[in-house]
Amino acid sequence: DQQVKQNSPSLSVQEGRISILNCDYTNSMFDYFLWYKKYPAEGPTFLISISSIKDKNEDGRFTVFLNKSAKHLSLHIVPSQPGDSAVYFCAALKAAGNKLTFGGGTRVLVKP
Amino acid sequence: GAGVSQTPSNKVTEKGKYVELRCDPISGHTALYWYRQSLGQGPEFLIYFQGTGAADDSGLPNDRFFAVRPEGSVSTLKIQRTERGDSAVYLCASSAQGQVNSPLHFGNGTRLTVT
Repeated sequence: DQQVKQNSPSLSVQEGRISILNCDYTNSMFDYFLWYKKYPAEGPTFLISISSIKDKNEDGRFTVFLNKSAKHLSLHIVPSQPGDSAVYFCAALKAAGNKLTFGGGTRVLVKP
Repeated sequence: GAGVSQTPSNKVTEKGKYVELRCDPISGHTALYWYRQSLGQGPEFLIYFQGTGAADDSGLPNDRFFAVRPEGSVSTLKIQRTERGDSAVYLCASSAQGQVNSPLHFGNGTRLTVT
């Protein structure tokens, strides 16, 4: 039973354009959400997060949007750069919880 | 400063053998996590330590898997009677406190291959 789903396994975008990554969750107990980025042969690195009391959080080129009623969040990267090419994981955390539940990842390729 | 260190980076073992995977967390981080990532999937939680004790081991798949953190720093994940299905990348992560205030810092993982 996958509680966090990333339905697009891959995404290809031109340099300078916007990348939009989507994530859906089923467990209404999740109240904190994170995005991690992973390069080959490296561990995931934290990118950006959002609490369920917000609907948007922005950090430079990265913005995460949360739609609680739809149990959906998205990550926008603009403008996309070749160095953004990586696998992106959405993850969710329950209130007072200690374990992240990850989605299956979306591989992003930014073409120069 | 030094990040989370995992050794070995690669481990090939035969079915039925015993393996140990080591994790050195970031100095001062009290929370330590083990995750497992199978090909094409996201990381799956295995176990969480707060200090020396396993605060949550609900993700360990069966009793062949065991982890320790005797002095509240280095942790070892132990797998007995390995099976081919145990092949995966085993990721360790640490954080200074609860995840909301301090996101996880992951190591580069140990790629385990059971032949």
